[in-house]
Amino acid sequence: DAKTTQPPSMDCAEGRAANLPCNHSTISGNEYVYWYRQIHSQGPQYIIHGLKNNETNEMASLIITEDRKSSTLILPHATLRDTAVYYCIVRVNSWGKLQFGAGTQVVVTP
Amino acid sequence: DAGVIQSPRHEVTEMGQEVTLRCKPISGHNSLFWYRQTMMRGLELLIYFNNNVPIDDSGMPEDRFSAKMPNASFSTLKIQPSEPRDSAVYFCASRPGAAHNEQFFGPGTRLTVL
Repeated sequence: DAKTTQPPSMDCAEGRAANLPCNHSTISGNEYVYWYRQIHSQGPQYIIHGLKNNETNEMASLIITEDRKSSTLILPHATLRDTAVYYCIVRVNSWGKLQFGAGTQVVVTP
Repeated sequence: DAGVIQSPRHEVTEMGQEVTLRCKPISGHNSLFWYRQTMMRGLELLIYFNNNVPIDDSGMPEDRFSAKMPNASFSTLKIQPSEPRDSAVYFCASRPGAAHNEQFFGPGTRLTVL
C-alpha cells in the first residue's frame, strides 16, 4: 500500500498562499491522490483529488509531479477558517479505502 | 441536502452498557463507511458497506462491535458491552457511485465510556 509523508505542522499568513507538500514515492500507476481536511471538532471534508494531471476547484489546486512521487496542495488565499489538519491520502484498494495518516496541522494567522 | 446525519452527537455511558450509534447517509449514495478517531490511533476505518452489504469489516476491533445497514437510508454501529477504551469520536461517511469519488463525512458522535 502506498504511504504518504507530510510535515506535522506549518503556519501561513492570512491572505497568502499556503503550499502543503506530500510525498508518496511508492504510489502505483492507478492510485489517486486525495486531500481532505478536518477543522477542529468537525468531520473530515473533501478538498480535491487527482491521478496525474494538475487539478483545480473552488477550494484549492493540486499539483502532482510528473513522476507522481509527490504533490502539493495550494490554498491560493488562506483565511482564518482554513486552519485545520490537512490529510494527503493515496487510495489503498479497488473499492476506494482511504487510509488517513497524521496529516499537517495548518494554522493561519492574522 | 442535509448531508450525512449522525445521532446522537454526544453519548456518555458507563462501562458494560450497550451503545448504539446511528447514521443516515446522503440520499442516493450507495457506499457507507464507519470510522473511529482517537488521539492515539488517529482516524481508522471500521467497516465499509456497499449497497447495504458489508464488504470489509477488517477494521472492527473485536466482537463487541457490530454494524448493520438494514436499508439504503440507515445504518447502526453497536458496542456491547462498552469499555472505557471505546471512548472516541465515531464518524459515518457516505459516497456516491465509483470508488474514486469523494466521501462525505457526518459531524460525528463523541462517545465517552466511564
